[in-house]
Amino acid sequence: DAGITQSPRHKVTETGTPVTLRCHQTENHRYMYWYRQDPGHGLRLIHYSYGVKDTDKGEVSDGYSVSRSKTEDFLLTLESATSSQTSVYFCAISEGLAGIGNTQYFGPGTRLTVL
Amino acid sequence: KNEVEQSPQNLTAQEGEFITINCSYSVGISALHWLQQHPGGGIVSLFMLSSGKKKHGRLIATINIQEKHSSLHITASHPRDSAVYICAVSHLIQGAQKLVFGQGTRLTINP
Repeated sequence: DAGITQSPRHKVTETGTPVTLRCHQTENHRYMYWYRQDPGHGLRLIHYSYGVKDTDKGEVSDGYSVSRSKTEDFLLTLESATSSQTSVYFCAISEGLAGIGNTQYFGPGTRLTVL
Repeated sequence: KNEVEQSPQNLTAQEGEFITINCSYSVGISALHWLQQHPGGGIVSLFMLSSGKKKHGRLIATINIQEKHSSLHITASHPRDSAVYICAVSHLIQGAQKLVFGQGTRLTINP
């Protein structure tokens, strides 16, 4: 298994509070991704990173920000959590070799509940 | 219409049956991915395809680029194959893959 951890694994928070989720990898992969998974919507890309300090938006980025200050860590921040951000969040990584792309390896997920 | 459509949404079969899950997509892609998610949530990448066919054990994935269609087959299905199977297409942006996912197919194999 690729070395990807997510923390926390479960979190319950209140509307309006800030929340930061951490993704940590030991594979030295260049690319990192944050997804959310919701019933009826499936998996959707929130933000991704193509290198240290290089990030870009995915299809559902509103209300989220990210940071990547070193290769191994990719942080997802909800500045002011809302109930619509209750979801399961997955981090993924890929090597980024030239060509058509690479397999993505997924972390175990973080279940976030916003009350 | 979603960019990625899977069928069927749910599939129940008996152990030993040959299983086919279909995926259609609407725009050009760099690659197509098949993923597996067991109850409890972990997501595992099964295949990444840009053309032709790949096989891994009892799993076979095919793609027809002209028809924008892919299939995932499971031969000699087993109860441990019960999971949600997810098709995703990737678009390469700055070397990163932006994945767009189908809704998933929930497969149940009864003993």
